[in-house]
Amino acid sequence: EAQVTQNPRYLITVTGKKLTVTCSQNMNHEYMSWYRQDPGLGLRQIYYSMNVEVTDKGDVPEGYKVSRKEKRNFPLILESPSPNQTSLYFCASSLGQSNTGELFFGEGSRLTVL
Amino acid sequence: AQSVAQPEDQVNVAEGNPLTVKCTYSVSGNPYLFWYVQYPNRGLQFLLKYITGDNLVKGSYGFEAEFNKSQTSFHLKKPSALVSDSALYFCAGHSGAGSYQLTFGKGTKLSVIP
Repeated sequence: EAQVTQNPRYLITVTGKKLTVTCSQNMNHEYMSWYRQDPGLGLRQIYYSMNVEVTDKGDVPEGYKVSRKEKRNFPLILESPSPNQTSLYFCASSLGQSNTGELFFGEGSRLTVL
Repeated sequence: AQSVAQPEDQVNVAEGNPLTVKCTYSVSGNPYLFWYVQYPNRGLQFLLKYITGDNLVKGSYGFEAEFNKSQTSFHLKKPSALVSDSALYFCAGHSGAGSYQLTFGKGTKLSVIP
């Protein structure tokens, strides 16, 4: 089954404790992206990757890091989480450049930073 | 900078009546426009897209959308609403082939009343 898998789905952590949210897709997609969803703000793009070893900032990259060492994986790293990073996070992927709007989304990771 | 606006936070419609969820865009060039749906505690699902061609595009679950260049709008429509259509709907867009930054609207909550 074609899917985008995120882990963990739920996480409560404390300020400053490094964490990683993993994302994996099994569709051989070139493009992957991270979004955060906040009430009243919709979805905002954090980082995206056009292919292995190629990443770029989205609209709200501050406080986040990403890497794309393998085509299927695109982890989101919070080096020193802060309460304003409490949010619902989505990973998404698509075939490639010409389809970068037709995204497949993971189920989401709800992060609470205390 | 590109932007997508959904002027209504919530739309209520009676079951069996036609529904419209509004979207306007400010995207340079020839825009690629999309609609996504989010059911509770789930990731977003792609509904339909406009890239070029016929201004009326058809998508999943009986939804369609009308692209209007002069009004910079891309409204989502369905002739007869179902209770199961109740969800959060997002409009999104980018400036076409080669663009990697998909901008989302803030979402519209659709409630279909039995």
